[in-house]
Amino acid sequence: DAKTTQPPSMDCAEGRAANLPCNHSTISGNEYVYWYRQIHSQGPQYIIHGLKNNETNEMASLIITEDRKSSTLILPHATLRDTAVYYCIARSGNTGKLIFGQGTTLQVKP
Amino acid sequence: DVKVTQSSRYLVKRTGEKVFLECVQDMDHENMFWYRQDPGLGLRLIYFSYDVKMKEKGDIPEGYSVSREKKERFSLILESASTNQTSMYLCASSFPPGRGRSSGANVLTFGAGSRLTVL
Repeated sequence: DAKTTQPPSMDCAEGRAANLPCNHSTISGNEYVYWYRQIHSQGPQYIIHGLKNNETNEMASLIITEDRKSSTLILPHATLRDTAVYYCIARSGNTGKLIFGQGTTLQVKP
Repeated sequence: DVKVTQSSRYLVKRTGEKVFLECVQDMDHENMFWYRQDPGLGLRLIYFSYDVKMKEKGDIPEGYSVSREKKERFSLILESASTNQTSMYLCASSFPPGRGRSSGANVLTFGAGSRLTVL
């Protein structure tokens, strides 16, 4: 599995875009990048995933660099309810396990 | 709304008791997982199952066992609870890669968690 590195914490102003970086320099060709988040006292929630191309859904956008060694999760208009721990995971789609790291604690401030 | 339901949100047990944590999913997922989450250690995989009656050890299986008698249900068992098993336990499920909307990826749906305290 590729090791992922995320900053431990970030702040973002409400209404602004939140850009959460993730480094995965040892990622291999068949490893997807996943993003989950965990709001306090709840189970993790899936946000988005990608392999090579940038992806967008109703929650967020995922930008993956051309060399696939890093990615950025973008919450376009952060709200107070987006305050959570965000996990970036790189894992082969051939296996069922996902290994979570420490994640980034995003604090959205009014 | 699709769900992973964990039977108990909060439990308090005594050292040496046998503890059952139940997890049920209604999404017809083949894969089911048990994680525990502790401050500073993140989520750690205990056991997982790819099909009925099969199980595989995760990263920290010691002191735990599991049961998967039906596709929708995955139980975590603490044969003799100890204080170092005080934790938040999270169940998750998924399709195998290639099924569902996730194409080749593996997207997990988590339950709300069961916070176990062992005294």
